[in-house]
Amino acid sequence: AQSVTQLDSQVPVFEEAPVELRCNYSSSVSVYLFWYVQYPNQGLQLLLKYLSGSTLVKGINGFEAEFNKSQTSFHLRKPSVHISDTAEYFCAVSGRDDKIIFGKGTRLHILP
Amino acid sequence: EAGVTQSPTHLIKTRGQQATLRCSPISGHTSVYWYQQALGLGLQFLLWYDEGEERNRGNFPPRFSGRQFPNYSSELNVNALELEDSALYLCASSSGAGTAGSNQPQHFGDGTRLSIL
Repeated sequence: AQSVTQLDSQVPVFEEAPVELRCNYSSSVSVYLFWYVQYPNQGLQLLLKYLSGSTLVKGINGFEAEFNKSQTSFHLRKPSVHISDTAEYFCAVSGRDDKIIFGKGTRLHILP
Repeated sequence: EAGVTQSPTHLIKTRGQQATLRCSPISGHTSVYWYQQALGLGLQFLLWYDEGEERNRGNFPPRFSGRQFPNYSSELNVNALELEDSALYLCASSSGAGTAGSNQPQHFGDGTRLSIL
């Protein structure tokens, strides 16, 4: 079975500063990894996904994430955040023959 | 391409009543997933339907049930509503690969906010 831990429930960051949202997973099999974003009063939207290949994955809105198998991490980064990035971010993992598991989410607060 | 649509947007019920939530997947998607997003609890997996059959369910009591219709739309039914059922219920769809461990990302609707008074 898989599990996902998002280490920070809330992350405040100043506008135009870099941000990293942390995600660790546990699994005994190969996994697929995803980051989703949820803007206020909306459903989730896929930011990026890692299925195989290059460990650095680029997504929409300038976000990227790096798959680190040895540390079982899939941290999300953006070099310069904007006020429009205010949202909740969910890391998710799925493995073969298992359902997708979501982390509890990290709220990103952009400070002016 | 139309996205995942859910109805109603908001639903207000009282304890003991029954609620029905509806979801239309993206055209061509055969898998539909239901999640409960309660305050502070993140997304909790409820149900997964594919090709009209229930493939998996989360750790929820039997009063949470649903079905998938031949056109792949889906219904979530919650019987004997309790106060703690108040939450945002999200539906997602994907082009199912036949296993739960699909590498296909899920596409979400905007949810139905269920409030129990």
